[in-house]
Amino acid sequence: EVQLVQSGAEVKKPGESLKISCKSSGYSFTTYWIAWVRQMPGKGLEWMGIIFPGDSDTRYSPSFQGQVTISADKSISTAYLQWSSLKASDTAMYFCAHVGVSSYGMDVWGQGTPVTVSS
Amino acid sequence: QSVLTQPPSVSAAAGQKVTISCSGSSSNIGNNYVSWYQQLPGTAPKLLIYDNNKRPSGIPDRFSGSKSGTSATLGITGLQTGDEADYYCGTWDSSLSAYVFGTGTKVTVL
Repeated sequence: EVQLVQSGAEVKKPGESLKISCKSSGYSFTTYWIAWVRQMPGKGLEWMGIIFPGDSDTRYSPSFQGQVTISADKSISTAYLQWSSLKASDTAMYFCAHVGVSSYGMDVWGQGTPVTVSS
Repeated sequence: QSVLTQPPSVSAAAGQKVTISCSGSSSNIGNNYVSWYQQLPGTAPKLLIYDNNKRPSGIPDRFSGSKSGTSATLGITGLQTGDEADYYCGTWDSSLSAYVFGTGTKVTVL
């Protein structure tokens, strides 16, 4: 069974850095894309980007290019989403998801990591 | 702003049927497979429909999907209170080289 378990809630100040994680199990980590999705409070889903852990090929949504970094560590089957300098507008729930269906659709989702950025 | 347009809300009585539309263009729905996701309050999204009209294991056949041209539709029959959730369509957009979600539709059971 494919499972994605995300790291816990984070509370940060503007300007701080952050790296959240998504640990995968139940499948071959290097052969499927992993996606990251943002959901701001009370808003819809926004696709941020994907990574193929097999060769670290990474694609970003134009809206998030340069704003975040997606990475993966094959040795521990874990994908990451990181920020170098957080803004209050980064306050949101972040989901990782296994890309297992056509046209990059997401069939299994992590439980989400809430990130709060406030001074 | 999303490139896939959905109605903000739909509602019907328990036991009735609702349909949710998802309107796009040739760069997304017109040439790619559509998925539908259900997000119950306070939970992660869940895949309901993939490849336009297929259901993952465990999804009841009360949920159905279809696609015609640059639009897709999700149907829910035998509406139950447990179906109250937000529903999103999604697909790859070849012009943006990005996955796009619909604006989301809140389903209310009267």
